[in-house]
Amino acid sequence: NAGVTQTPKFRILKIGQSMTLQCTQDMNHNYMYWYRQDPGMGLKLIYYSVGAGITDKGEVPNGYNVSRSTTEDFPLRLELAAPSQTSVYFCASSQIGGTEAFFGQGTRLTVV
Amino acid sequence: TQLLEQSPQFLSIQEGENLTVYCNSSSVFSSLQWYRQEPGEGPVLLVTVVTGGEVKKLKRLTFQFGDARKDSSLHITAAQPGDTGLYLCAGAGTYKYIFGTGTRLKVLA
Repeated sequence: NAGVTQTPKFRILKIGQSMTLQCTQDMNHNYMYWYRQDPGMGLKLIYYSVGAGITDKGEVPNGYNVSRSTTEDFPLRLELAAPSQTSVYFCASSQIGGTEAFFGQGTRLTVV
Repeated sequence: TQLLEQSPQFLSIQEGENLTVYCNSSSVFSSLQWYRQEPGEGPVLLVTVVTGGEVKKLKRLTFQFGDARKDSSLHITAAQPGDTGLYLCAGAGTYKYIFGTGTRLKVLA
């Protein structure tokens, strides 16, 4: 039972570099989400998707892009990394909105 | 913008004490969830409350949803070191979840 899998677990980026955080789920969930969590804080929604081909902005979308070409995968792209993007990133999925959200283990990103 | 404020932000108590954590919003939510997060892990769902005034119990944890569905509380009886973690409330809308600011609980043996 893999659930939600995120890769990589850790990454250090230099300012201006780009990278893609990978997220895949094997529960056939329609809804997927990307959150960021700053130290000691709650989670802020970056982007979400209600199905393949459909994405929408959350609370803090600036500096990020997403795509949802399949039900299973929901990658998050950082184009020009900035120190303000240093955070822990969580991907989550749910069957429909309002039901239990299942989270991955997170990607700890540091931008230097 | 929907906001969920949790209080207190930090709580350090002795094993066996009782505590209550609050989650407040100016917005109405169709349901509210409580998650617990341990270091290095993603949040894990504890409970979902749906009906205004609803009370749910999970062993030593009691969750209540406010009558107006804008606030919630989590009460822990006889806290144990295993209860240590970050407690997050989340307002569930049709398409997304808005998370609260979190309460970091430490229970000392």
